[in-house]
Amino acid sequence: QKEVEQDPGPLSVPEGAIVSLNCTYSNSAFQYFMWYRQYSRKGPELLMYTYSSGNKEDGRFTAQVDKSSKYISLFIRDSQPSDSATYLCARTSPNKLIFGTGTLLAVQP
Amino acid sequence: DSGVTQTPKHLITATGQRVTLRCSPRSGDLSVYWYQQSLDQGLQFLIQYYNGEERAKGNILERFSAQQFPDLHSELNLSSLELGDSALYFCASSVDSGGTPSSYNEQFFGPGTRLTVL
Repeated sequence: QKEVEQDPGPLSVPEGAIVSLNCTYSNSAFQYFMWYRQYSRKGPELLMYTYSSGNKEDGRFTAQVDKSSKYISLFIRDSQPSDSATYLCARTSPNKLIFGTGTLLAVQP
Repeated sequence: DSGVTQTPKHLITATGQRVTLRCSPRSGDLSVYWYQQSLDQGLQFLIQYYNGEERAKGNILERFSAQQFPDLHSELNLSSLELGDSALYFCASSVDSGGTPSSYNEQFFGPGTRLTVL
């Protein structure tokens, strides 16, 4: 079992839709979870991080961690074509990040 | 722009050859991380250096090695290249080493080097 599992997609939605991206993880010892966005042929860039359980909101983006079910979610409201990218979930581990395989999202105008 | 630079952007080479990838971290960052991204494996941690010293190793092949120099730039050396080594190689940097479960250590990624082994 991979430490962080993520549905690779691809996921295609119309502009304005609410997008839900999900990951599961297997090790509860580590406290920080993050979402990175990676555009084609670019490096990953941090979107948001959350500590332990709960929600965190930043504009159209909401990150959610449910420690009881070991579930990490990213919600994108009013999705835009510029949101088309690969979204990577990750968790901290000593001296490194452990990533899911990424979900490719396409927002159609 | 994350402030992390990587050279070259693209590298095409043949099996059996050796290449060196270079990374300059953000100003003030002491840690450098190397990751490999392939289609089937996703983004995988290779190795971390902190202020010139190796701090952590992932599933890095013995054919691969890295170092961090006194000016904090880092190089990843890949030798006896195989077709399966074709991938994107990313460098990331952070201020500190992030060595405990309770620490948050934001990593900033460079643009990557695309390696193609023919």
